[in-house]
Amino acid sequence: KQEVTQIPAALSVPEGENLVLNCSFTDSAIYNLQWFRQDPGKGLTSLLLIQSSQREQTSGRLNASLDKSSGRSTLYIAASQPGDSATYLCAVRSTGNQFYFGTGTSLTVIP
Amino acid sequence: DAGVIQSPRHEVTEMGQEVTLRCKPISGHNSLFWYRQTMMRGLELLIYFNNNVPIDDSGMPEDRFSAKMPNASFSTLKIQPSEPRDSAVYFCASSPQGGYTFGSGTRLTVV
Repeated sequence: KQEVTQIPAALSVPEGENLVLNCSFTDSAIYNLQWFRQDPGKGLTSLLLIQSSQREQTSGRLNASLDKSSGRSTLYIAASQPGDSATYLCAVRSTGNQFYFGTGTSLTVIP
Repeated sequence: DAGVIQSPRHEVTEMGQEVTLRCKPISGHNSLFWYRQTMMRGLELLIYFNNNVPIDDSGMPEDRFSAKMPNASFSTLKIQPSEPRDSAVYFCASSPQGGYTFGSGTRLTVV
């Protein structure tokens, strides 16, 4: 069974810093990997989707990379802002059409 | 597109009562997923459908839980009888062959 781990569980940074969130998975036979953001009491908002054949995806200040062979993905946030404070989750879609979620990284950006 | 629509947004019910949660997926998405989120367990996949057919219900915690998808535009998750430990946020998500889109969730409180 696929296991998805996110480290660290919580992260606090001053505004303006660049930061990296990590996601690792145990089975490299994946279909795609998706990063989500969840604000307190809200649903999940999709940030970036990386297909298994891709190495990275970019959207604005966000950049997600994927290294299937090592079972890792990173989400890079440039010039962090207080509005970036949220929980970030990664989800791996296996080739069997199952999605597996990590437990998330809670990010606080301090003004 | 209105996205994935869930109703109700909040539900408070007494222990022993039947609860029905509803979901309208995005038109054209052929997969639908029901998740439960709690602080203790994070996101748990309950069941998913592909082309209206239940594919994997191994995450359904007990026989008290049942899910149906009578057509491509509607799904229900029913709990009968409900118990306080069922209190959680229940999310519905739909997917084409790519990534997920989540609904805003139903916050269920069983007292």
